[in-house]
Amino acid sequence: RKEVEQDPGPFNVPEGATVAFNCTYSNSASQSFFWYRQDCRKEPKLLMSVYSSGNEDGRFTAQLNRASQYISLLIRDSKLSDSATYLCVVNSRNTDKLIFGTGTRLQVFP
Amino acid sequence: EPEVTQTPSHQVTQMGQEVILRCVPISNHLYFYWYRQILGQKVEFLVSFYNNEISEKSEIFDDQFSVERPDGSNFTLKIRSTKLEDSAMYFCASGGQINEQFFGPGTRLTVL
Repeated sequence: RKEVEQDPGPFNVPEGATVAFNCTYSNSASQSFFWYRQDCRKEPKLLMSVYSSGNEDGRFTAQLNRASQYISLLIRDSKLSDSATYLCVVNSRNTDKLIFGTGTRLQVFP
Repeated sequence: EPEVTQTPSHQVTQMGQEVILRCVPISNHLYFYWYRQILGQKVEFLVSFYNNEISEKSEIFDDQFSVERPDGSNFTLKIRSTKLEDSAMYFCASGGQINEQFFGPGTRLTVL
């Protein structure tokens, strides 16, 4: 089983739509969770950390379900500029290496 | 806003040659990392570096790889004898604390 698993997409949505991405992780010792955004041939950029209580940053909402080992990202009111690959990232206790999923590609069209 | 910088942006080399990839982390950061991403694949951890020594490395980071922080600002990744399969984007990252990693723009390495 992959350490971090994501649906690769692509998700093609119109501007203004709400879209949700899911991610599962295999290591129950995982401690920290993140969503990164990666544009084509660019570096990953931290979008948001994910906390157990769930957290929101503007149009973006992240949720964590430790029991199911599941993380989600919700994007409301999609913009053309949201088009990118969204990377689910985890790391475990006693290590600072980040483990990346393969990413979910989002394409927002006018 | 401070950024991680990397040079060169693109490096082309012949198989068997040595390459050095350079990174300037954010100035007050203490934790340094190298990752790589083969085209079309996921980002993979190579090595972490703290307090002037390697703190963790992956299976990919074999004897052909080494890291160094030769002065107060640069952080380098050396590949001693490049192989075709080393062709990838190499990202440097730095963090002021554990679990906070900011990535540089990457060096695209092409091994011919």
